[in-house]
Amino acid sequence: EAEVAQSPRYKITEKSQAVAFWCDPISGHATLYWYRQILGQGPELLVQFQDESVVDDSQLPKDRFSAERLKGVDSTLKIQPAELGDSAMYLCASSLRPSSGTGREQYFGPGTRLTVT
Amino acid sequence: AQSVTQLDSQVPVFEEAPVELRCNYSSSVSVYLFWYVQYPNQGLQLLLKYLSGSTLVKGINGFEAEFNKSQTSFHLRKPSVHISDTAEYFCAVKKAGTALIFGKGTTLSVSS
Repeated sequence: EAEVAQSPRYKITEKSQAVAFWCDPISGHATLYWYRQILGQGPELLVQFQDESVVDDSQLPKDRFSAERLKGVDSTLKIQPAELGDSAMYLCASSLRPSSGTGREQYFGPGTRLTVT
Repeated sequence: AQSVTQLDSQVPVFEEAPVELRCNYSSSVSVYLFWYVQYPNQGLQLLLKYLSGSTLVKGINGFEAEFNKSQTSFHLRKPSVHISDTAEYFCAVKKAGTALIFGKGTTLSVSS
């Protein structure tokens, strides 16, 4: 069964350092999402891509976070510089291209657990 | 804008007992509703979804949920839980083409 791949699974970094996460969606999925999940809370959207274009990055802290999906397939999320408050689980999800009037299921990867010290 | 409220942060139950995890939502437009389960240090797995049609939705692992439009609720139920059902459960809503909006989660703890 096809899965969303993420790496690394765990990352420990010192504050002010740069960190990057990688996501490979299910083949054929045009829509890719990055969510941040703080311990004890539900995931919150950081950025949504449709192919290589950003659809929604309204909640992305753009002074330190960046995301790209250059060829419309895999994606990288970067934080520079990392802050203590960035410690969280970063989840990637993908779905088929949305069709009018349908709620496409999102498939989640295993996540990257980031600890900033 | 949409929002989701999971009414119980923790639900402890004994094995083989029934359980209900409550979820209310608010939205000014039609939305789709989902329940996801998350085991420790793992991603989210879809339990079930309501898109349209029958208001009683059956999912994996014996879970079901009922969509109640008048009460804007989407409660998750299971008639008999197992130890292996211990996990975090998230209710979520979305409009077509948008990202999911999650509740804060309910921790289900099943003991023997």
